[in-house]
Formats: sequence, C-alpha cells, structure tokens
Amino acid sequence: AQTVTQSQPEMSVQEAETVTLSCTYDTSESDYYLFWYKQPPSRQMILVIRQEAYKQQNATENRFSVNFQKAAKSFSLKISDSQLGDAAMYFCASDFTGNQFYFGTGTSLTVIP
Amino acid sequence: DTGVSQDPRHKITKRGQNVTFRCDPISEHNRLYWYRQTLGQGPEFLTYFQNEAQLEKSRLLSDRFSAERPKGSFSTLEIQRTEQGDSAMYLCASSSIRVGNTEAFFGQGTRLTVV
Repeated sequence: AQTVTQSQPEMSVQEAETVTLSCTYDTSESDYYLFWYKQPPSRQMILVIRQEAYKQQNATENRFSVNFQKAAKSFSLKISDSQLGDAAMYFCASDFTGNQFYFGTGTSLTVIP
Repeated sequence: DTGVSQDPRHKITKRGQNVTFRCDPISEHNRLYWYRQTLGQGPEFLTYFQNEAQLEKSRLLSDRFSAERPKGSFSTLEIQRTEQGDSAMYLCASSSIRVGNTEAFFGQGTRLTVV
C-alpha cells in the first residue's frame, strides 16, 4: 500500500523564524517524486518544492528546502525566514505508482507576527 | 494558458439532484485527475485520464459518479442522485508525462453543498 503520513495537524512559527514540517511515507516503489504543496485559505493548491527519489541531493527553492531520507522514508520541509504569506495548509504528496498523487492529511501553518 | 480552470466555483443542490462539473486542463497536459477534498483533509483520489482514456478509478467512487474526457481535452464529472455526504470540494488537476513524471497543477476547485 502507498501511504503518506503527516503527523502534525497544526504548527506555528514566529515571523522570520524557521519551521520544519514532517512527512513520512510508505511504498515499495523505488523511483518516484515527492512534493510539498501549499494551499492558502480558499485558494488553489500550488507546488512548493519537488524531490526526485533517485537524487540524493536535497531540493531547495529559495526559503524552502527539504530533508529527504529515502531509507527512512522521510521527507520534511523546512521554511526559513518565515513570512506572513507562508500561512497555509501544507500537503506532502507523491506519485509512487505514476497513476495518481497520494496526499497526506496536511499541516496547518500559522505565522505569528 | 491561464492554468487549470474549473466551473462552477460553487454549487448548491438539493439532495437527489444531479450535478455536473467541468474542468479545462492546461492545454499541453495529457493527464487529468479528479480529487475530492473535505474540510481538514488531504485530497482523495477519484479518477484519472490519460488523453481520452479513463485509466483508473478509485474503489471509493460509487456508481453515482461518472467522469468523461471526450477528445482528451476538457473533462466533466457528474454526480447522480446527490447525497449530503457528497458535499466537498472537487478538485481537478492536470500533468504531463511527456517530460517525465512532474507535478500536478490544480484548479481552484468546485465546492459542492448538498442540502
């Protein structure tokens, strides 16, 4: 079975500080992509960052970076210098089988001014 | 191209009525997905198309749900005899396999309320 698990329903961070959102997954596949999506309130889901499972180097996009541990099946998202606009639901996802995207239950991030 | 477009954005219907939603994917994308999302949950897979072929359907998708993608362009999702449990956000997404597995691009969703 393919599963994605986010164990932090809610997180908060002070503006300008750093926060890490956790994600674990389970799959028997060896080649897949992992994603973090952001869903602001009442707005559409957008991609934050993507990681290819066969690449050991962690992906980075400006203030967003991941810690990908393939053996541990862990894929966390680090947001540095948090901004008010980062407040949203964050979903961890993957396309393990190439036929669909599997999503976690999400982490609601609050940024405190 | 302005991205994935869904219509309508909101739909309120009485229990037992049929509803149809439309999704226009990004034009060069050959894959199209339908997801359902309830409050506080992640998107739940319903079905996906590659071009005009419906390749996979979730076992959670009852016979009241049907989806089409004629000519491999836009797609429609129809729910017959709606029930209150069908109330949710219905998300459409598209992606391309021509450049390898890439991310899905989502529309803004259609929020269905069954009263």
